[in-house]
Amino acid sequence: IVLTQSPGTLSLSPGERATLSCRASQSVSSRFLSYLAWYQQKPGQAPRLLIYDASSRANGIPDRFSGSGSGTDFTLTISRLEPEDFAVYYCQHYGSSRWTFGQGTKVEIK
Amino acid sequence: QVQLQESGPGLVKPSETLSLTCTVSGGSINTYYWNWIRQPPGKGLEWIGYIYYSGSTNQNPSLKSRVTISVDMSKNQFSLNLSSVTAADTAVYYCAGGGYDRSDYWGQGTLVTVSS
Repeated sequence: IVLTQSPGTLSLSPGERATLSCRASQSVSSRFLSYLAWYQQKPGQAPRLLIYDASSRANGIPDRFSGSGSGTDFTLTISRLEPEDFAVYYCQHYGSSRWTFGQGTKVEIK
Repeated sequence: QVQLQESGPGLVKPSETLSLTCTVSGGSINTYYWNWIRQPPGKGLEWIGYIYYSGSTNQNPSLKSRVTISVDMSKNQFSLNLSSVTAADTAVYYCAGGGYDRSDYWGQGTLVTVSS
């Protein structure tokens, strides 16, 4: 399965809403779950888990981050960008006992 | 809070074997799935493989013939061996742990350069 993220770069101002897309080459959803996670990575740091199972927030993640979608189309939404949210975001899928990452979306300050 | 720390050589010669160890603290290794993930400089994330404490493993098909992942429960560690390395294996290597479908905990990463 190939994950394609869009756009490659998103230029926004603090306080604006960010909408990031992750599209899978085939469905990543079972009857009950979508095995799709989102990570945030800042320069020089390890990735941080934000969302798992497409829409569940990881521990300690602010509620301005939300995930949605099923099948092949998924979205990460940041409702109001804070200065610390400017980073690269990756989607990740688990299936057939293996993982796949998208190529990333960079959210930069406009 | 589970913490992970990678250790190993920062420089490996071409054709040799890259060996890294991840030490888990603040939690037992017989709780989660443990992954290795790498990131070439300026590029995206690539999954290498995972191991469960039982010894069950899975690897990225593109690397499978060169990858060995093992676990040492007595030391709360798991390890990566990547054989026959080339310059294309130069990357920051991360160890990570969590569910079978995502990683909640990550090490800080260690840069491994392949060069003679």
